[in-house]
Amino acid sequence: SQKIEQNSEALNIQEGKTATLTCNYTNYSPAYLQWYRQDPGRGPVFLLLIRENEKEKRKERLKVTFDTTLKQSLFHITASQPADSATYLCALYSSASKIIFGSGTRLSIRP
Amino acid sequence: DAGVIQSPRHEVTEMGQEVTLRCKPISGHDYLFWYRQTMMRGLELLIYFNNNVPIDDSGMPEDRFSAKMPNASFSTLKIQPSEPRDSAVYFCASSYRTGGTETQYFGPGTRLLVL
Repeated sequence: SQKIEQNSEALNIQEGKTATLTCNYTNYSPAYLQWYRQDPGRGPVFLLLIRENEKEKRKERLKVTFDTTLKQSLFHITASQPADSATYLCALYSSASKIIFGSGTRLSIRP
Repeated sequence: DAGVIQSPRHEVTEMGQEVTLRCKPISGHDYLFWYRQTMMRGLELLIYFNNNVPIDDSGMPEDRFSAKMPNASFSTLKIQPSEPRDSAVYFCASSYRTGGTETQYFGPGTRLLVL
């Protein structure tokens, strides 16, 4: 069956360090993958999109990698700040034109 | 643009009652999605529309759930009769596809509690 897993439910790191979140999938051949941020009491907000033929995408302090051989995407936040604390969701677009979300990783950045 | 608008923001009802959730998508978007989010199951796609036509309702849990999109600017998700296990946050999202990709824009959600 098709499955998406995000590495952990929660991740706590020190301010200034790089946060790395993992998204693994099985039995998919996604055309592209997205990362969303969700704050408590709010809907997810789009951050980055990476296509299957792209290895890496950057936006300011954010970086996403996509390895279709490993079936894995990594999401990095460099120079992390307490304001980066949120839940981060990966989402895959399957060939069936459906988006499937991971369960999310709750990131906490401590000062 | 005001973004995706959902109402009500909070709903508390008793088991057996009918619940109607409302959504106004972003103008110009031709896709509309209804999701349900719980701690146990995460974010689940219930149904989505393209140009007001339901395309995939395989995520709708059972016949108690129904969704309509009478026009491009309005959609409803109805639960009748409601049950305590329907308690969750329901999100509406809209998008348009360009360049072979799409980005979904989510509303603030409706937090539903069924007693």
